[in-house]
Amino acid sequence: GAVVSQHPSRVICKSGTSVKIECRSLDFQATTMFWYRQFPKQSLMLMATSNEGSKATYEQGVEKDKFLINHASLTLSTLTVTSAHPEDSSFYICSARPTGNTGELFFGEGSRLTVL
Amino acid sequence: GQSLEQPSEVTAVEGAIVQINCTYQTSGFYGLSWYQQHDGGAPTFLSYNALDGLEETGRFSSFLSRSDSYGYLLLQELQMKDSASYFCAVRSNRDDKIIFGKGTRLHILP
Repeated sequence: GAVVSQHPSRVICKSGTSVKIECRSLDFQATTMFWYRQFPKQSLMLMATSNEGSKATYEQGVEKDKFLINHASLTLSTLTVTSAHPEDSSFYICSARPTGNTGELFFGEGSRLTVL
Repeated sequence: GQSLEQPSEVTAVEGAIVQINCTYQTSGFYGLSWYQQHDGGAPTFLSYNALDGLEETGRFSSFLSRSDSYGYLLLQELQMKDSASYFCAVRSNRDDKIIFGKGTRLHILP
């Protein structure tokens, strides 16, 4: 199956710093990537839809200035958590859907962010 | 908007069969997917139904009834490694988003 690589898998940072998470589709092109956030033992909450070459579409309640998303190519989307605070600590997961595919999402390995 | 309902927890015995139900409400519907997630890991795709009926993939099967806005995941010959959380997810054909249910934690007893 298709492979999505997410990096870093774990990151610890100090409060007030920014953290960038990369999501790459390794063997397919993805015009659309999705960023999810997951708290322990809870569901995946869609944060935003990342579209190649255009602005991301954010879900209600997600601060676009805090969670910057860039989808510069058909294989790479990045999520930058700016001025991170302890409440931003979470598991962030990206996913991609191959162009033309309708039902299957391929997920990255996830990035566990801990803000001290 | 979209919402999905699935049981929070299900317990079954190794070797048995278990069914996890999912009902959904969505503005526009493409299909229903199922994902498995082990603790600490990322979700992995199990199945996708766009049309009514049963889809079988090995020990796992998934069913969809569009008229009832209902689907289920059927796991047969349960193994201890099947202990995980299972999420149903719908894709809307209006806004192209994929929204997940809250997940069902499957506990398997030896």
